[in-house]
Amino acid sequence: DTGVSQDPRHKITKRGQNVTFRCDPISEHNRLYWYRQTLGQGPEFLTYFQNEAQLEKSRLLSDRFSAERPKGSFSTLEIQRTEQGDSAMYLCASSTGASNEKLFFGSGTQLSVL
Amino acid sequence: GIQVEQSPPDLILQEGANSTLRCNFSDSVNNLQWFHQNPWGQLINLFYIPSGTKQNGRLSATTVATERYSLLYISSSQTTDSGVYFCAVVGFKKGGSEKLVFGKGTKLTVNP
Repeated sequence: DTGVSQDPRHKITKRGQNVTFRCDPISEHNRLYWYRQTLGQGPEFLTYFQNEAQLEKSRLLSDRFSAERPKGSFSTLEIQRTEQGDSAMYLCASSTGASNEKLFFGSGTQLSVL
Repeated sequence: GIQVEQSPPDLILQEGANSTLRCNFSDSVNNLQWFHQNPWGQLINLFYIPSGTKQNGRLSATTVATERYSLLYISSSQTTDSGVYFCAVVGFKKGGSEKLVFGKGTKLTVNP
């Protein structure tokens, strides 16, 4: 059984650079979510997909952020022109698609913007 | 949007003690989940419990949906129970958002 997989685990970048993270959900899961977590806070919702359709985006997701799930399988989250305030843990989660289903999280990508 | 409040924010126990963590939410929900985030950052799903009571080993949870709260009970705590416990909900609103909204968590430290 492979759980939710995220890559890379850690990313250090300089301010102004672009970064891209990848998430591979549990194989039979239709829904894929991106969350962001900063120290001492709970995860904050960014966006989610039902198959390849992006159904909801948070107002937190500025136009420097873009997410894709082109074939309804893996997803990528790109941050352009990174800022120090983007430093956080980026978490991916997946579920079977019904609103009453459990969410399963990956280990996250820790982003540090210098 | 729906608000989630967890208490207490911090809890320190001796191994073997019992504890109760509380989650209050501001509106009706059709999904409520409890998670444990271990010291390495991994979020583990403990319970899906929009109403009623469930038990899994030393952990149990109760949600009283009509009164908008949920409780997580940890009995005979062990050092491996340390970490942050999060409650997360989806508000029950036709056509509304289906995202899970998280509380700020309860940080539990179990000392040997």
